This record gives sequence, structure tokens and C-alpha cells, in this order.
Amino acid sequence: RKEVEQDPGPFNVPEGATVAFNCTYSNSASQSFFWYRQDCRKEPKLLMSVYSSGNEDGRFTAQLNRASQYISLLIRDSKLSDSATYLCVVRLEDTGRRALTFGSGTRLQVQP
Amino acid sequence: DAGVIQSPRHEVTEMGQEVTLRCKPISGHDYLFWYRQTMMRGLELLIYFNNNVPIDDSGMPEDRFSAKMPNASFSTLKIQPSEPRDSAVYFCASSPGEGREAEAFFGQGTRLTVV
Repeated sequence: RKEVEQDPGPFNVPEGATVAFNCTYSNSASQSFFWYRQDCRKEPKLLMSVYSSGNEDGRFTAQLNRASQYISLLIRDSKLSDSATYLCVVRLEDTGRRALTFGSGTRLQVQP
Repeated sequence: DAGVIQSPRHEVTEMGQEVTLRCKPISGHDYLFWYRQTMMRGLELLIYFNNNVPIDDSGMPEDRFSAKMPNASFSTLKIQPSEPRDSAVYFCASSPGEGREAEAFFGQGTRLTVV
């Protein structure tokens, strides 16, 4: 079983739509959670961290459910520029395991 | 700051040749990571360093791969001998040492093709 699992998509949505991505992680000791965005043929870049209480950044809302080991990302009012691959990322904080573990990504295509 | 700098951006080499990928992390970052990305396997951690010391190399696929960090501003990933299945995009990333939420910053990657 993969440590971080995501639906690969693609999600094809019209401009202005609301779209949600989900992600599950297998290691209950994971302590930090993120969403990264990766454009085609570019490097991954941090979109937002995910906090236990849920957090929002403009049109983006992230949620964490530790009991279910589940993370979500909601994008409201989709823009063409939101088209990218969204990577769910977790990190253990125990000694010797501080690296990020990435999901395979969910591809989003926003259409005019 | 220029960000994480990787070189070369593209590398095409013949099977059996030695390949060396280079990375300059962001100044002041204590952690350096090497990742490999393929369509089939996504982003995989190969190895990471803390204060120039290798901490976890369990992701290094086999003895053909080696990584060094001789100082805080430079790291190399070497493949010898290279094989076609090593073809991938190799990313270097760095991260500050403090803070649970410390972000990892990625370089632009090296696209390696082994023919």
C-alpha cells in the first residue's frame, strides 16, 4: 500500500466550478501535511500547509481528519490558471524521518 | 535569493556512462533532499542530508547511485554506470531546519535520458 494515495484524475471542470481533491495517508505518525502544486514540466511548489482545524487561503480550503487519516483540498471558483497537478504531501517528524512523502498527484484541467 | 540551483537542466547519455547531477541549496537551509520523478512511480525520495550528513538513503535504488554533500552549499548525485531505467527527472530540494511547517523548496530539476 502506498504511504500517500490520491485519485490521479484527471478532473476536467469548467471555469467557475468548485472541485475537491481527497488524499489518504497510511502512517498514523505523520505530523505535518501539505498540498503542493506542480505545473507541467516544472518543479513542485508549496500551495498551502494543512492544519488540524482546517485552513483557508483565498479560494483554497484544506481540511485534515487525523482519525480517518484523510486530507482534502477544495478549490472554489476555478480559474484556467488552476490547471496543474496537485500533490498531497505528509511528513513524519520523528528522528531520522523528516523528508516529505508525496502522493502521485491529482491532475486538474480547468476548461473555458 | 536565487533559489535551489540544479545543473545540468538536461542530460542525455549513453547506457554505461557516468552521470553527475549537481545541486546548490538555498543558503542557510539545513536539509537537502534528492527526489526522482517518473510517470510510473511519481516523486520518490532517494536520499536526504541534515547539516551535510546523510540521514536516510533507503530510497537509493542500488549501488550504482551515490550522493555526497561535501559542504553546505553543494551536493552531487552520481549514477555509475547509468541504465535506461534511470531516465527520469531528478529534483533537489532544500528546507530550513526549524519549524514543523518548514517548506521544502525545489530546484527546476535535471531531466535525464539514458539511451
